[in-house]
Amino acid sequence: RKEVEQDPGPFNVPEGATVAFNCTYSNSASQSFFWYRQDCRKEPKLLMSVYSSGNEDGRFTAQLNRASQYISLLIRDSKLSDSATYLCVVTKTGGGNKLTFGTGTQLKVEL
Amino acid sequence: GAVVSQHPSRVICKSGTSVKIECRSLDFQATTMFWYRQFPKQSLMLMATSNEGSKATYEQGVEKDKFLINHASLTLSTLTVTSAHPEDSSFYICSASDQKDTQYFGPGTRLTVL
Repeated sequence: RKEVEQDPGPFNVPEGATVAFNCTYSNSASQSFFWYRQDCRKEPKLLMSVYSSGNEDGRFTAQLNRASQYISLLIRDSKLSDSATYLCVVTKTGGGNKLTFGTGTQLKVEL
Repeated sequence: GAVVSQHPSRVICKSGTSVKIECRSLDFQATTMFWYRQFPKQSLMLMATSNEGSKATYEQGVEKDKFLINHASLTLSTLTVTSAHPEDSSFYICSASDQKDTQYFGPGTRLTVL
């Protein structure tokens, strides 16, 4: 089983739609959780950290469910510029701040 | 935000040659740098953790003699792919960790081995 699992998509949504991505992680000892965004042939960029209490940044909302080992990302009012691959990332077990990446979920926002 | 650069951004080489990739933190000192590799449609895979002034720590399955890492200063780490072969063709990305353990990624180096 992969350490971090995501539905690869693609998710094709119209502009203005709300879309949700899910991610599961296998190790209950994972400590920190993030969503990164990666554009085609570019490096990943931090979108937001994820906390148990949930957090929101503009149109983006992230939530963590430790009991179910599940992380979500909700994007409201999708823009064309949101088209990218969204990577679920957790800290590597026993590895300090080593990051373990999921394979990513591809989002395509269309007119 | 913090800036990390990589050089070169793209390299094409013949099989058997060695390729050096540089990773620099431009506006902060990074005690720790990380090297990742990403194959098409796959996730970033951590190859090694590089600490300034000490030997790198390699992940399981990564050959330390093939992927030489040097972290000579707080702003520079290098990855040398020795005797590169076509299966080494990939997107190599470094990241640098600041004092708050936040990782900032370089723009990546696309290696193609013919």
